Amino acid sequence: GQQVMQIPQYQHVQEGEDFTTYCNSSTTLSNIQWYKQRPGGHPVFLIQLVKSGEVKKQKRLTFQFGEAKKNSSLHITATQTTDVGTYFCAGPSGGSYIPTFGRGTSLIVHP
Amino acid sequence: DVKVTQSSRYLVKRTGEKVFLECVQDMDHENMFWYRQDPGLGLRLIYFSYDVKMKEKGDIPEGYSVSREKKERFSLILESASTNQTSMYLCASSGTSVTYEQYFGPGTRLTVT
Repeated sequence: GQQVMQIPQYQHVQEGEDFTTYCNSSTTLSNIQWYKQRPGGHPVFLIQLVKSGEVKKQKRLTFQFGEAKKNSSLHITATQTTDVGTYFCAGPSGGSYIPTFGRGTSLIVHP
Repeated sequence: DVKVTQSSRYLVKRTGEKVFLECVQDMDHENMFWYRQDPGLGLRLIYFSYDVKMKEKGDIPEGYSVSREKKERFSLILESASTNQTSMYLCASSGTSVTYEQYFGPGTRLTVT
């Protein structure tokens, strides 16, 4: 079963507010990937983190990988309506080498 | 530009029918995946293939089978469709390592009545 937990399931924000989604695993992850799925679309790869404590930025998006490589977060600064969608994390866990996807966090941005 | 295509965007089938969903990638990727996506459950892996004629079960393989006769093509088969298989089906591919980024197709929304 799924061993990568993602919270929250939904997040409503006013445009301009910040947003964070969290991904947690009970086992160490060799890497973590993040994807974005727009409404009616398919998941699109955003980034991969590999190193303990790694932080990467893409414009208003900041991705972090925990020191123990068991958790990760995606933070969006000053959300825009174009950020609407579901954000998924994925990582190989539980002894498998195949990435397991979290259930996703759906971001709703109110103008 | 990388591309993963799926045979149908929408499909309606009757209970008990045999259903074929096809996926083609043009990136010469070794790995291909079939997922189903249901509200609140995220993406669940049905089957995975790492080479021609090679396959591994994912988290929810019951009621499904797969075929990979050519590197670029990965088929998902529902031997006898049931209403609880109504879902969005997504195909993906990735390069040499399964830890590489996955490229997804547009999805097939299957309704079984």
